[in-house]
Amino acid sequence: DSGVTQTPKHLITATGQRVTLRCSPRSGDLSVYWYQQSLDQGLQFLIQYYNGEERAKGNILERFSAQQFPDLHSELNLSSLELGDSALYFCASSAVGFGGQETQYFGPGTRLLVL
Amino acid sequence: GQNIDQPTEMTATEGAIVQINCTYQTSGFNGLFWYQQHAGEAPTFLSYNVLDGLEEKGRFSSFLSRSKGYSYLLLKELQMKDSASYLCAVRTSGYALNFGKGTSLLVTP
Repeated sequence: DSGVTQTPKHLITATGQRVTLRCSPRSGDLSVYWYQQSLDQGLQFLIQYYNGEERAKGNILERFSAQQFPDLHSELNLSSLELGDSALYFCASSAVGFGGQETQYFGPGTRLLVL
Repeated sequence: GQNIDQPTEMTATEGAIVQINCTYQTSGFNGLFWYQQHAGEAPTFLSYNVLDGLEEKGRFSSFLSRSKGYSYLLLKELQMKDSASYLCAVRTSGYALNFGKGTSLLVTP
């Protein structure tokens, strides 16, 4: 158990819908990362937040957005869902935001199926 | 762009040693990580290299050569539970990780 929690564990929805995935980082970690894992693409970085501020963006679609709240939990919002958005979505947290060795610890993931 | 290559699949025998290679061509380098991932589960951290050389941690060791853009993960005394996917990830600028597609290792009796 990494200490990172994610809800829900599974999500089934229809094309065109909108969903929200939630992540709580390990106690004390200020950085939260979101990754998407599909069978053909592997793990792809989407976005990073550090202490409530967006820090870096990866291959995140415009239909996707995220935020980190004052209590440091984060939400990933996926809208206008398409079949290709079906994937595992992982959240990771880390303790060090600037410099030094910084290891990301992953939550159990949310498996999204778009029908 | 970032290019991180690993073999897709490997098979090894219980009790043996296996080496999983990773080559990378990235814009910038700020550390290389290895993660283990069992099917449908979260990646779990195995090792970190930022300087050239070997890092040993129990049955697992990881090696890095920055000049060659090359790393390997060495697993000794293989156990059945080591059957999993092994992910090589490079941190370039910032702190996000760029992952390879992973190597699926099957350990056979």
